[in-house]
Amino acid sequence: EAQVTQNPRYLITVTGKKLTVTCSQNMNHEYMSWYRQDPGLGLRQIYYSMNVEVTDKGDVPEGYKVSRKEKRNFPLILESPSPNQTSLYFCASSETRYTEAFFGQGTRLTVV
Amino acid sequence: KNEVEQSPQNLTAQEEEFITINCSYSVGISALHWLQQHPGGGIVSLFMLSSGKKKHGRLIATINIQEKHSSLHITASHPRDSAVYICAVRSLGAGSYQLTFGKGTKLSVIP
Repeated sequence: EAQVTQNPRYLITVTGKKLTVTCSQNMNHEYMSWYRQDPGLGLRQIYYSMNVEVTDKGDVPEGYKVSRKEKRNFPLILESPSPNQTSLYFCASSETRYTEAFFGQGTRLTVV
Repeated sequence: KNEVEQSPQNLTAQEEEFITINCSYSVGISALHWLQQHPGGGIVSLFMLSSGKKKHGRLIATINIQEKHSSLHITASHPRDSAVYICAVRSLGAGSYQLTFGKGTKLSVIP
C-alpha cells in the first residue's frame, strides 16, 4: 500500500532535549516536505527536499534541521526544542513538486 | 508571496444539502490542491487542479485561472463529509517549490 509513515504519532518532551521525527515513503517519490499546523495559522512549510541530498528552507525553518540521505526517508530534527515548537507536524511526499501530495498521519508534539 | 483566502471559515449544513467552499489567491499559480482533514488530524488529497473542473464521486472542484478562484462543491452532503477542507496553491517560478495554504473551512453536516 502506498503510504507516508511518520513516527512517533504523539510525543511529549522537555525543553532542550534533542528529538527526531521520522518520515518514510514507499512510493519512490522525489519531493518531500515537512509542515507544521497551528490553530489560526494553518499549515506552514518548514523544509522541503527535491531529491537525495537536496534540501531547502520553507517559510518557518528556524529551530529545525532535516536530512535526505536516502530517497525514502526525510527525518525532521529538533536540536533544542522549545515550547513554541509545540504543534502538529505533517510530512508529505509527491512524485515531483508538480504532482499530487501524499501526507503522513501527523505527529503531535508537545514541548514542556 | 501568494495569499490564500478561504470562505466561509465555518459551515454547518443539513444532510443532503449542496455545499460550496471557496478559495481565492493573489498571484499566478501552477496548481491548486484541495485537501480534507478529518477530526483526528490525517490529511487526504482530494484534487489537484491547474485548469477547468474535476469530479470524484459527490465532490466537484473547479478553478478559474483568470479570476484566481477555485470552488469545491459537495453534492448530497452526508455527515461523514464533516471535516476541515483546505485549499493550497503552488505559485509559479521560484515559488513553485512551496505550497501556500488557506486556513481551512470547517464543515459540519447534521443528519
